[in-house]
Amino acid sequence: KAGVTQTPRYLIKTRGQQVTLSCSPISGHRSVSWYQQTPGQGLQFLFEYFSETQRNKGNFPGRFSGRQFSNSRSEMNVSTLELGDSALYLCASSSAYEQYFGPGTRLTVT
Amino acid sequence: AQSVTQLGSHVSVSEGALVLLRCNYSSSVPPYLFWYVQYPNQGLQLLLKYTSAATLVKGINGFEAEFKKSETSFHLTKPSAHMSDAAEYFCAVSPNFNKFYFGSGTKLNVKP
Repeated sequence: KAGVTQTPRYLIKTRGQQVTLSCSPISGHRSVSWYQQTPGQGLQFLFEYFSETQRNKGNFPGRFSGRQFSNSRSEMNVSTLELGDSALYLCASSSAYEQYFGPGTRLTVT
Repeated sequence: AQSVTQLGSHVSVSEGALVLLRCNYSSSVPPYLFWYVQYPNQGLQLLLKYTSAATLVKGINGFEAEFKKSETSFHLTKPSAHMSDAAEYFCAVSPNFNKFYFGSGTKLNVKP
């Protein structure tokens, strides 16, 4: 069974730009969650989607948004990038009792 | 509200020594508890999970953890450290598998 895939793996953007990250969950998993990981703040929950609906949301500004498609693939978008958005963005795919993480997308904002 | 506290951001042990990584949680409901490991530039890999079955949970790579409700703890142990165990370890709690709360992580260094 293929694992969680995230694209791209690395990304460099400039302040003020926007970015879209993609996540393909494990086949059959309907829940996809996104996390931001930084050295200072650790792992912070962004949002969770289930069957194309946002089911849970963390405490991030509205610049951070996401969506899920009918095939369970998910995208997250960050608009008006700030230097502080530089982080590893992790996607996780969940079944009933387990959560599996992708390798992450390393976003650098300059 | 859920939260996780990992005591010790860095732990150093000698190869062959006992590994003990501490995790305490607070939860308003009986939680599900997890330990993950992260190697540099990689995502998180599930080591083990507690889902209200046996309180002593065995995971991959020789790790195990014991759920102690009275102490609200879920410490991770391994009898004998190996060089390949050097990584960052995260404890996490979830009330319903929909939202996970992670501790700040403990970096394990294994000395030869």
